[in-house]
Amino acid sequence: EAGVTQSPTHLIKTRGQQATLRCSPISGHTSVYWYQQALGLGLQFLLWYDEGEERNRGNFPPRFSGRQFPNYSSELNVNALELEDSALYLCASSPEGIRYTFGSGTRLTVV
Amino acid sequence: GQQVMQIPQYQHVQEGEDFTTYCNSSTTLSNIQWYKQRPGGHPVFLIQLVKSGEVKKQKRLTFQFGEAKKNSSLHITATQTTDVGTYFCAGQAGAQKLVFGQGTRLTINP
Repeated sequence: EAGVTQSPTHLIKTRGQQATLRCSPISGHTSVYWYQQALGLGLQFLLWYDEGEERNRGNFPPRFSGRQFPNYSSELNVNALELEDSALYLCASSPEGIRYTFGSGTRLTVV
Repeated sequence: GQQVMQIPQYQHVQEGEDFTTYCNSSTTLSNIQWYKQRPGGHPVFLIQLVKSGEVKKQKRLTFQFGEAKKNSSLHITATQTTDVGTYFCAGQAGAQKLVFGQGTRLTINP
């Protein structure tokens, strides 16, 4: 089975711009989770989508937003980019909240 | 809200030495999972523990779930260079999302 797919692999933006990151979950997985991992640090929970709805949100400002489409793929949008938004953004999917399968991530660099 | 604490943050060992990382939750968990992230990679699922006092082994890795279902440990016997990476525990309470610990970064001197 195909794994979790994230695009793009790398993204370079300037401060103040917007970034859009995409995630395609494993077929049949309805839940998608987004995490931010700054260099050398742990996984900071961003957003959880299930069946097209936002189920939970981490402690991030409103300029971090997203959505889940009818095919369960998901987008993460980051507006008004700041330098400290530079990080690896990981998407994971799971069948009903059991084991997570992570994608390879999008490395966002804000300059 | 639920918190998961993991120690130590870093561990450096000589190849062949043992390694242990500990995980403690502020709430009782329905299950705990362990993930490994190789340098430059993404977290990969290792195992899930569900039962109180459960012990599972994967070759040189031993995973334990505490009797109160609030703590867990991962022990690696006779580390090898392939064990290098960051090990995360992640706890789940009911149908809630997984809450990840901060991770333990393991480095090994060959």
